Amino acid sequence: QKEVEQDPGPLSVPEGAIVSLNCTYSNSAFQYFMWYRQYSRKGPELLMYTYSSGNKEDGRFTAQVDKSSKYISLFIRDSQPSDSATYLCAMSDGYNQGGKLIFGQGTELSVKP
Amino acid sequence: DTGVSQDPRHKITKRGQNVTFRCDPISEHNRLYWYRQTLGQGPEFLTYFQNEAQLEKSRLLSDRFSAERPKGSFSTLEIQRTEQGDSAMYLCASSSDRGNFATNEKLFFGSGTQLSVL
Repeated sequence: QKEVEQDPGPLSVPEGAIVSLNCTYSNSAFQYFMWYRQYSRKGPELLMYTYSSGNKEDGRFTAQVDKSSKYISLFIRDSQPSDSATYLCAMSDGYNQGGKLIFGQGTELSVKP
Repeated sequence: DTGVSQDPRHKITKRGQNVTFRCDPISEHNRLYWYRQTLGQGPEFLTYFQNEAQLEKSRLLSDRFSAERPKGSFSTLEIQRTEQGDSAMYLCASSSDRGNFATNEKLFFGSGTQLSVL
């Protein structure tokens, strides 16, 4: 079993829809939770960053962390065609204060005009 | 500052050849990471440097792989005697430890080097 599980999709939604992306994990030591967006042939780009449990909102994006359930989510409101990309969750226990992130498989999202 | 730069963007090589990739991190970042990403998968950690010191290496990094970061600036990743299984996107990322504890986990990635081994 992988440490981080993410539904690979693909996920296709109409423009304006609310998108929900999710990851589950097994390592209770994870404290830092991130969502990266990756366009085709590009490196991942940091979207959202959360420490421990709770919600964080940034514009149309909301990240939720439920450490008791080992479950994190990213919500995208009013989705746009430009949101079409692969979304990767990533986690770290921060133990060595380094960037050794454990990534999910990525969910491919397509937003249709 | 133009972000993390990687060169080349693409590399095609024959099995058994050696290849070397270069990464230039964000100038004020003292930490540098190498990740590998295969098609349909998330990036996997390979190794990381704090300044010029290589602090951690993944089990994925066989003895055919070597990474250096002379003078704590740019880094190179060399693969010797390439195999078809080495075909992947090799991503470099950088971060700074000069912020608070929480910001140390924020990595900034380059666009990667796509390696194809024939």
